[in-house]
Amino acid sequence: EPEVTQTPSHQVTQMGQEVILRCVPISNHLYFYWYRQILGQKVEFLVSFYNNEISEKSEIFDDQFSVERPDGSNFTLKIRSTKLEDSAMYFCASRNTGGGEQFFGPGTRLTVL
Amino acid sequence: QQQVKQSPQSLIVQKGGISIINCAYENTAFDYFPWYQQFPGKGPALLIAIRPDVSEKKEGRFTISFNKSAKQFSLHIMDSQPGDSATYFCAASRANAGKSTFGDGTTLTVKP
Repeated sequence: EPEVTQTPSHQVTQMGQEVILRCVPISNHLYFYWYRQILGQKVEFLVSFYNNEISEKSEIFDDQFSVERPDGSNFTLKIRSTKLEDSAMYFCASRNTGGGEQFFGPGTRLTVL
Repeated sequence: QQQVKQSPQSLIVQKGGISIINCAYENTAFDYFPWYQQFPGKGPALLIAIRPDVSEKKEGRFTISFNKSAKQFSLHIMDSQPGDSATYFCAASRANAGKSTFGDGTTLTVKP
């Protein structure tokens, strides 16, 4: 069964460093998302991406964040200068049509020291 | 307008009992209401979902009840099992936007 994959599973970084989180969405999906979940809290929307551009972003997704689909398979989230409060689980999700099920990846745990 | 409110925060049920989790939304433009199950260290996994044209959807032991006029929906887990112990999130989205707005989550513990 096709699934969303994410790498790495755990990333530890120093405050101020750049990190890139990688996702491989399901191959025939057209809509891509990043969410984050701070430990013990709810899942929060960061950004949605369709047709090679951002379609919507939340207030969390400030200038420190960027997304890219560099080729036909990968979808990346870059944080330019990490802060302590960026420590969270980051989930990538994808879906096929204009409505319906989003498939979530297993997440990347980001720890900023 | 974008909030989804979920209750209770935590729930303890005996094996074989019924678990009920409730959610309420504000934005009437939402038209897709999924429930996700999340185990520690894992991503949310879709459990069951409903659209507002029906009032109930059942899949196995899991049932969603939907009240469009009250803007509320609930998850019922029948014959709850210890393996159902997880965090459950309700969510809501608009078909043309796609992003999901999640509730705060409910930690369910099913005691043997």
